[in-house]
Amino acid sequence: GAGVSQSPSNKVTEKGKDVELRCDPISGHTALYWYRQSLGQGLEFLIYFQGNSAPDKSGLPSDRFSAERTGGSVSTLTIQRTQQEDSAVYLCASSPKGDGNYGYTFGSGTRLTVV
Amino acid sequence: EDQVTQSPEALRLQEGESSSLNCSYTVSGLRGLFWYRQDPGKGPEFLFTLYSAGEEKEKERLKATLTKKESFLHITAPKPEDSATYLCAPPPEAAGNKLTFGGGTRVLVKP
Repeated sequence: GAGVSQSPSNKVTEKGKDVELRCDPISGHTALYWYRQSLGQGLEFLIYFQGNSAPDKSGLPSDRFSAERTGGSVSTLTIQRTQQEDSAVYLCASSPKGDGNYGYTFGSGTRLTVV
Repeated sequence: EDQVTQSPEALRLQEGESSSLNCSYTVSGLRGLFWYRQDPGKGPEFLFTLYSAGEEKEKERLKATLTKKESFLHITAPKPEDSATYLCAPPPEAAGNKLTFGGGTRVLVKP
């Protein structure tokens, strides 16, 4: 597609439920990144994919968080047993080649609210 | 790991009042800098890449400059539509690694 697409745009869930967030990157972009932005805070790196592999998962805050990418395209971020502190905007970005010379293109994010 | 600091945290300007934002960082060798703009409820939007000290890039009322240890984003005669959070980040330390963003500067331009 023309840009990075994320769905849903908003998600309200009850504490303890599992949620799945989807990211559809720009076609042909091999690198894909997930970030989290809590209210009034900066961007917090979660995980990076190159193709279907995740060479850097260092930002995932706990084992309740997992992500996968299939076909070198769509990625899903899953949060199990959600907690209130998981409430944030989850942003996905993609980049061509992942060689560090290009900026990212971000999606509009998924706003997750855990009640 | 790269340390990125942006100042000020917030900036309130009158329309037409020019100002500058700062991004400073410690990096393992200068590799350039990315600037982004983020509007409320949206993801960051890429503005500029600066590759080497002395380089300048311009877009409308914005001009970004780069030295060996810091970058400035100058906003000349701003308009209310320039209100946004401006973010900077050095390129990744290795191919494909994460961007480490500064905390951003929230700019509000009043008419």
